[in-house]
Amino acid sequence: QLQLQESGPGLVKPSETLSLTCNVSGGSMSSNSYYWGWIRQPPGKGLEWIGSIYRSGTTFHNPSLTSRVTMSLDTSNNQFSLKLTSVTAADTAVYFCASLPHFWGQGTLITVSS
Amino acid sequence: DIQMTQSPSTLSASVGDRVTITCRASQSISRWLAWYQQKPGKAPNLLIYKASTLESGVPSRFSGSGTGTEFTLTISSLQPDDFATYYCQQYNSYSDTFGQGTKLEIK
Repeated sequence: QLQLQESGPGLVKPSETLSLTCNVSGGSMSSNSYYWGWIRQPPGKGLEWIGSIYRSGTTFHNPSLTSRVTMSLDTSNNQFSLKLTSVTAADTAVYFCASLPHFWGQGTLITVSS
Repeated sequence: DIQMTQSPSTLSASVGDRVTITCRASQSISRWLAWYQQKPGKAPNLLIYKASTLESGVPSRFSGSGTGTEFTLTISSLQPDDFATYYCQQYNSYSDTFGQGTKLEIK
Protein backbone atom coordinates (compact mmCIF):
# COMPACT_ATOMS: atom_id res chain seq x y z
CA GLN A 1 0.00 0.00 0.00
CA LEU A 2 1.71 3.15 -1.17
CA GLN A 3 1.64 6.26 0.97
CA LEU A 4 2.32 9.71 -0.47
CA GLN A 5 3.00 12.98 1.31
CA GLU A 6 3.30 16.40 -0.26
CA SER A 7 5.65 19.04 1.11
CA GLY A 8 5.77 22.66 0.08
CA PRO A 9 6.01 26.28 1.23
CA GLY A 10 2.35 27.03 1.93
CA LEU A 11 2.67 30.62 0.72
CA VAL A 12 4.25 31.80 -2.53
CA LYS A 13 4.53 35.36 -3.83
CA PRO A 14 3.11 36.29 -7.23
CA SER A 15 5.53 35.83 -10.14
CA GLU A 16 7.70 33.43 -8.11
CA THR A 17 8.16 29.68 -8.61
CA LEU A 18 6.19 27.12 -6.64
CA SER A 19 8.17 24.01 -5.72
CA LEU A 20 6.54 20.89 -4.31
CA THR A 21 7.91 17.48 -3.43
CA CYS A 22 6.05 14.23 -2.98
CA ASN A 23 7.60 11.58 -0.74
CA VAL A 24 6.59 8.02 -1.47
CA SER A 25 6.70 5.13 0.98
CA GLY A 26 5.45 1.57 1.08
CA GLY A 27 6.65 0.58 -2.36
CA SER A 28 9.25 1.00 -5.06
CA MET A 29 9.02 3.96 -7.40
CA SER A 30 10.86 1.92 -9.98
CA SER A 31 7.92 -0.44 -10.43
CA ASN A 32 6.17 -0.50 -13.78
CA SER A 33 2.89 -0.61 -11.93
CA TYR A 34 2.87 3.07 -11.14
CA TYR A 35 2.88 6.41 -12.79
CA TRP A 36 3.07 9.60 -10.80
CA GLY A 37 0.91 12.65 -11.08
CA TRP A 38 0.15 16.08 -9.74
CA ILE A 39 -3.42 17.34 -9.43
CA ARG A 40 -4.74 20.56 -7.96
CA GLN A 41 -8.06 21.83 -6.68
CA PRO A 42 -8.76 25.55 -6.29
CA PRO A 43 -10.92 26.40 -3.28
CA GLY A 44 -14.51 25.31 -3.89
CA LYS A 45 -13.75 23.99 -7.39
CA GLY A 46 -13.09 20.72 -9.14
CA LEU A 47 -9.97 18.67 -9.77
CA GLU A 48 -7.45 19.72 -12.41
CA TRP A 49 -4.74 17.39 -13.68
CA ILE A 50 -1.41 19.22 -13.81
CA GLY A 51 0.86 16.52 -15.23
CA SER A 52 2.26 13.03 -14.95
CA ILE A 53 5.73 11.49 -14.93
CA TYR A 54 6.60 7.91 -15.76
CA ARG A 55 9.35 5.61 -14.54
CA SER A 56 11.38 6.50 -17.62
CA GLY A 57 11.26 10.16 -16.65
CA THR A 58 8.93 11.02 -19.53
CA THR A 59 6.50 13.74 -18.58
CA PHE A 60 3.14 14.92 -19.87
CA HIS A 61 1.53 18.18 -18.85
CA ASN A 62 -1.85 19.87 -18.97
CA PRO A 63 -1.72 21.96 -22.17
CA SER A 64 -2.97 24.99 -20.25
CA LEU A 65 0.04 24.82 -17.90
CA THR A 66 2.75 23.19 -19.96
CA SER A 67 4.88 26.29 -20.46
CA ARG A 68 5.15 26.78 -16.68
CA VAL A 69 5.46 23.19 -15.42
CA THR A 70 8.53 21.08 -14.78
CA MET A 71 8.36 17.63 -13.19
CA SER A 72 11.17 15.35 -12.08
CA LEU A 73 11.65 11.92 -10.54
CA ASP A 74 14.19 10.90 -7.90
CA THR A 75 13.71 7.18 -7.41
CA SER A 76 16.79 6.81 -5.23
CA ASN A 77 15.14 9.05 -2.64
CA ASN A 78 11.59 7.83 -3.32
CA GLN A 79 10.29 11.21 -4.35
CA PHE A 80 9.09 13.25 -7.28
CA SER A 81 8.76 16.98 -7.69
CA LEU A 82 6.79 19.76 -9.34
CA LYS A 83 7.87 23.26 -10.23
CA LEU A 84 5.35 25.82 -11.42
CA THR A 85 6.78 29.14 -12.54
CA SER A 86 5.34 32.66 -12.68
CA VAL A 87 2.51 31.91 -10.26
CA THR A 88 -0.53 34.14 -9.86
CA ALA A 89 -3.51 34.15 -7.52
CA ALA A 90 -5.20 31.74 -9.93
CA ASP A 91 -2.67 29.08 -8.88
CA THR A 92 -3.95 29.12 -5.30
CA ALA A 93 -5.18 25.59 -4.69
CA VAL A 94 -4.76 22.37 -2.76
CA TYR A 95 -2.07 20.42 -4.59
CA PHE A 96 -2.19 16.63 -4.51
CA CYS A 97 0.43 14.14 -5.58
CA ALA A 98 -0.73 10.70 -6.59
CA SER A 99 0.12 7.34 -8.01
CA LEU A 100 -2.82 7.45 -10.36
CA PRO A 101 -5.43 6.27 -9.97
CA HIS A 102 -4.99 4.30 -6.78
CA PHE A 103 -3.02 6.25 -4.19
CA TRP A 104 -3.17 9.92 -3.28
CA GLY A 105 -1.44 12.20 -0.83
CA GLN A 106 -3.56 14.20 1.61
CA GLY A 107 -2.91 17.43 -0.29
CA THR A 108 -1.21 20.68 0.64
CA LEU A 109 -2.74 24.14 0.39
CA ILE A 110 -0.65 26.60 -1.59
CA THR A 111 -1.66 30.23 -1.42
CA VAL A 112 -0.28 32.77 -3.86
CA SER A 113 -0.24 36.18 -2.25
CA SER A 114 2.14 39.04 -1.60
CA ASP B 1 -7.25 16.81 -25.65
CA ILE B 2 -9.98 14.54 -24.33
CA GLN B 3 -12.82 16.36 -22.60
CA MET B 4 -14.92 14.66 -19.94
CA THR B 5 -18.51 15.80 -19.46
CA GLN B 6 -20.09 14.65 -16.21
CA SER B 7 -23.79 14.86 -15.41
CA PRO B 8 -25.67 15.89 -13.47
CA SER B 9 -23.72 18.61 -11.68
CA THR B 10 -25.90 18.21 -8.61
CA LEU B 11 -28.07 15.30 -7.60
CA SER B 12 -30.56 15.28 -4.72
CA ALA B 13 -31.50 11.87 -3.39
CA SER B 14 -32.62 10.04 -0.27
CA VAL B 15 -31.09 7.22 1.76
CA GLY B 16 -31.95 3.96 0.05
CA ASP B 17 -32.28 5.46 -3.44
CA ARG B 18 -30.51 4.05 -6.48
CA VAL B 19 -28.56 6.78 -8.25
CA THR B 20 -26.58 6.98 -11.47
CA ILE B 21 -23.94 9.48 -12.54
CA THR B 22 -22.82 9.69 -16.17
CA CYS B 23 -19.49 10.63 -17.70
CA ARG B 24 -19.02 11.14 -21.43
CA ALA B 25 -15.67 11.37 -23.17
CA SER B 26 -15.11 13.51 -26.26
CA GLN B 27 -13.41 10.54 -27.93
CA SER B 28 -12.99 6.88 -27.16
CA ILE B 29 -11.00 6.07 -24.04
CA SER B 30 -11.59 2.31 -24.18
CA ARG B 31 -12.12 1.43 -20.50
CA TRP B 32 -9.51 3.72 -19.01
CA LEU B 33 -11.84 5.47 -16.62
CA ALA B 34 -11.81 5.90 -12.86
CA TRP B 35 -14.43 7.13 -10.42
CA TYR B 36 -13.62 8.91 -7.16
CA GLN B 37 -15.54 10.05 -4.11
CA GLN B 38 -14.38 13.21 -2.38
CA LYS B 39 -15.48 14.66 0.93
CA PRO B 40 -14.68 18.21 2.07
CA GLY B 41 -11.09 18.70 3.10
CA LYS B 42 -10.05 15.22 1.98
CA ALA B 43 -8.23 13.73 -0.96
CA PRO B 44 -10.29 11.89 -3.57
CA ASN B 45 -10.90 8.25 -2.75
CA LEU B 46 -10.79 5.76 -5.63
CA LEU B 47 -13.99 3.75 -6.05
CA ILE B 48 -13.76 2.18 -9.51
CA TYR B 49 -10.95 1.82 -12.06
CA LYS B 50 -10.83 0.41 -15.57
CA ALA B 51 -14.47 1.46 -15.83
CA SER B 52 -15.87 -1.38 -13.76
CA THR B 53 -13.26 -2.80 -11.37
CA LEU B 54 -14.15 -2.15 -7.75
CA GLU B 55 -11.22 -0.90 -5.70
CA SER B 56 -10.36 -3.08 -2.73
CA GLY B 57 -12.35 -2.11 0.36
CA VAL B 58 -15.05 -0.21 -1.51
CA PRO B 59 -18.61 -1.35 -0.72
CA SER B 60 -20.31 -3.46 -3.37
CA ARG B 61 -23.20 -1.00 -3.66
CA PHE B 62 -20.88 0.98 -5.93
CA SER B 63 -20.59 -0.23 -9.52
CA GLY B 64 -19.27 1.14 -12.78
CA SER B 65 -20.01 0.34 -16.39
CA GLY B 66 -19.31 1.56 -19.88
CA THR B 67 -16.74 1.55 -22.60
CA GLY B 68 -15.65 3.88 -25.36
CA THR B 69 -17.22 7.26 -24.66
CA GLU B 70 -20.05 6.68 -22.20
CA PHE B 71 -19.69 5.55 -18.61
CA THR B 72 -21.86 5.33 -15.53
CA LEU B 73 -21.35 5.09 -11.81
CA THR B 74 -24.25 3.53 -9.93
CA ILE B 75 -24.87 3.45 -6.22
CA SER B 76 -27.48 0.77 -5.65
CA SER B 77 -28.81 1.89 -2.27
CA LEU B 78 -27.59 5.21 -0.92
CA GLN B 79 -26.16 5.25 2.56
CA PRO B 80 -25.66 8.38 4.71
CA ASP B 81 -21.89 8.17 4.18
CA ASP B 82 -22.32 8.40 0.39
CA PHE B 83 -23.32 12.07 0.29
CA ALA B 84 -20.22 13.61 -1.25
CA THR B 85 -18.85 14.83 -4.55
CA TYR B 86 -17.98 12.32 -7.27
CA TYR B 87 -15.49 12.74 -10.11
CA CYS B 88 -14.63 10.70 -13.16
CA GLN B 89 -11.12 10.69 -14.63
CA GLN B 90 -9.91 9.39 -17.96
CA TYR B 91 -6.38 8.03 -18.17
CA ASN B 92 -6.40 6.65 -21.70
CA SER B 93 -4.12 9.15 -23.31
CA TYR B 94 -1.01 10.46 -21.65
CA SER B 95 -2.99 13.56 -20.80
CA ASP B 96 -5.43 12.79 -18.02
CA THR B 97 -8.68 14.68 -17.59
CA PHE B 98 -11.24 14.94 -14.81
CA GLY B 99 -14.95 15.51 -15.10
CA GLN B 100 -16.30 18.63 -13.44
CA GLY B 101 -17.85 16.70 -10.56
CA THR B 102 -21.29 15.68 -9.29
CA LYS B 103 -22.37 16.82 -5.86
CA LEU B 104 -24.69 14.25 -4.29
CA GLU B 105 -26.95 15.96 -1.76
CA ILE B 106 -29.52 14.74 0.70
CA LYS B 107 -33.07 15.38 -0.50
